[in-house]
Amino acid sequence: AQSVTQLGSHVSVSEGALVLLRCNYSSSVPPYLFWYVQYPNQGLQLLLKYTTGATLVKGINGFEAEFKKSETSFHLTKPSAHMSDAAEYFCAVSERDTGRRALTFGSGTRLQVQP
Amino acid sequence: SAVISQKPSRDICQRGTSLTIQCQVDSQVTMMFWYRQQPGQSLTLIATANQGSEATYESGFVIDKFPISRPNLTFSTLTVSNMSPEDSSIYLCSARQGFTEAFFGQGTRLTVV
Repeated sequence: AQSVTQLGSHVSVSEGALVLLRCNYSSSVPPYLFWYVQYPNQGLQLLLKYTTGATLVKGINGFEAEFKKSETSFHLTKPSAHMSDAAEYFCAVSERDTGRRALTFGSGTRLQVQP
Repeated sequence: SAVISQKPSRDICQRGTSLTIQCQVDSQVTMMFWYRQQPGQSLTLIATANQGSEATYESGFVIDKFPISRPNLTFSTLTVSNMSPEDSSIYLCSARQGFTEAFFGQGTRLTVV
């Protein structure tokens, strides 16, 4: 069965600093990979996804992530943090070519941005 | 993309009562799902809502407690039955077409008193 591990339940960075949120997956076949953001009292918004092709994917709000099969990782980065990036971030996976279409979510990482 | 409208957005309910949450998608979708997000935690899948047949429940969730309907390709309901304070959570509807990304409603914040 697939699973997702997000290292670090809380990450704090200064405004303008690099953001790095870690995600590792466990799956017998490389899955589809997603990063979602959740702002307070809101639903989830897709930041970016990896399905096939280029392993470096760019998303909204300046975020990007790199799929590394050898490391079973899909870490999320942003070169320069902004105060508006403060939110909860979830990594999620979905199996390929199976009947199970539901996403499996990691435990989430709360990003704080200090002025 | 798909826009999902979920209602109510929040409710405070008495223990022992039931609440039905509605989820409307602005386009036909293959798959619809219901998740629970307990305070400060991640999303846990309750069930997959199947159009025209019984929902598929995850381990730990049963139909008597969380009956689900999906009468067509754009609409689903989740009922939280015989509520207790432990049911206080955010309930999220999700839709997915094929293997594309999943879209989410704004969630229903439920407080049981």
